[in-house]
Amino acid sequence: EVVLSQSPGTLSFSPGERATLSCRASQSVSGSYLAWYQQKPGQAPRLLIYGASSRATGIPDRFTGSESGTDFTLTISRLEPEDFAVYYCQHYDTSSMYTFGQGTKLEIK
Amino acid sequence: QVQFVQSGAEVRKPGASVKVSCKASGYTFTSTAMHWVRQAPGQRLEWMGWINAGNGNTKYSQKFQGRVTITRDTSASTTYMELSSLRSEDTAVYYCARDHHCSTTCADFDYWGQGTLVTVSS
Repeated sequence: EVVLSQSPGTLSFSPGERATLSCRASQSVSGSYLAWYQQKPGQAPRLLIYGASSRATGIPDRFTGSESGTDFTLTISRLEPEDFAVYYCQHYDTSSMYTFGQGTKLEIK
Repeated sequence: QVQFVQSGAEVRKPGASVKVSCKASGYTFTSTAMHWVRQAPGQRLEWMGWINAGNGNTKYSQKFQGRVTITRDTSASTTYMELSSLRSEDTAVYYCARDHHCSTTCADFDYWGQGTLVTVSS
């Protein structure tokens, strides 16, 4: 079973700074099936990135996804106040089906 | 616009069942699949299963196999998730989410319901 690990659990940044969030898969996976979501308190998750690097509809271009082997990265180039939230990575394969990382909380420094 | 409206919060005793609904609007309901994902307090999101809204075929997570049933009513554009033999660990927010159809290859969820809190307590 594929396990997604996101670390650290919490990151602190100031608005305007650049944030890099990490998601590591426990084994080789296809980036075609790696997605990132943003979740704010009391809200449902919102799809940001799919296929490791494609932005979902309506997502600003300050959000960028990339991959390197089993490591996947979500970069937010210039943090806006509304970007402070929890971010989850998610993967699909035919054996594990859909799995999520444990999330990284992005908080205001 | 695509929208999903879920039924309201539920409280159940251990051993009981709960059925949560998710009404879709803004697109052709039968054109895609619907998933159910839950989020227990302090836990990561957890996929439970999905239904092909067109033909009714289902697939469930092994963890929930035998306890979860996902159905749909095409005339009402509504998907249902029923979970039986509830235990305290099933206390969670339950979400419906639409299968994402993209121009490339993908397997994720592009629109979500607002979530339904299910509390299991004696």
